[in-house]
Amino acid sequence: SQKIEQNSEALNIQEGKTATLTCNYTNYSPAYLQWYRQDPGRGPVFLLLIRENEKEKRKERLKVTFDTTLKQSLFHITASQPADSATYLCALDYSSASKIIFGSGTRLSIRP
Amino acid sequence: GAGVSQSPSNKVTEKGKDVELRCDPISGHTALYWYRQSLGQGLEFLIYFQGNSAPDKSGLPSDRFSAERTGGSVSTLTIQRTQQEDSAVYLCASSLSASSGSSYNEQFFGPGTRLTVL
Repeated sequence: SQKIEQNSEALNIQEGKTATLTCNYTNYSPAYLQWYRQDPGRGPVFLLLIRENEKEKRKERLKVTFDTTLKQSLFHITASQPADSATYLCALDYSSASKIIFGSGTRLSIRP
Repeated sequence: GAGVSQSPSNKVTEKGKDVELRCDPISGHTALYWYRQSLGQGLEFLIYFQGNSAPDKSGLPSDRFSAERTGGSVSTLTIQRTQQEDSAVYLCASSLSASSGSSYNEQFFGPGTRLTVL
């Protein structure tokens, strides 16, 4: 079965630095890969979607890469701020299934 | 506009009782999804609806779980004879369409229902 791995350990970053989160998956590549942000006690919020044939996607301070050879996506937050502290989830989106498979998330903490 | 709403926000029940969880999706969203999230875990897919039909029920943990959607809008998730392992946050999400590959598959989540089975 398809598996997604995100770093289960919390990531602690100094404010202003770039935070990089990793999402690895097994078996076949999804058509699309999504990233969500989740704050405590709230539902996830969609951030970015990247397609299989795209190498990189940017949105403001966010950058996502998608390497189907390595079966990996990297999520970068540049000029990180304490308000970026949250859990970030990656999700595999297979067009044939219409079911999105979520990773367990990585908790990011930005210290002032 | 209004987002996805869920009720109740918290539910405490005794083992063996039935519970109903409600989800009101964003108006006009044809796809609706139910997930379960245990403490510190990722989202576990339960079921999704396209309109009133459920093409994929593969995630339902047992036959104690069922869900329905009426009028292409509100959905209820019912758990019969609740067990302690059912304790979790149940999240509902909706999207414009279940067809992947476009921004329409962006999912909008509700705040969740925290279920505690004593």
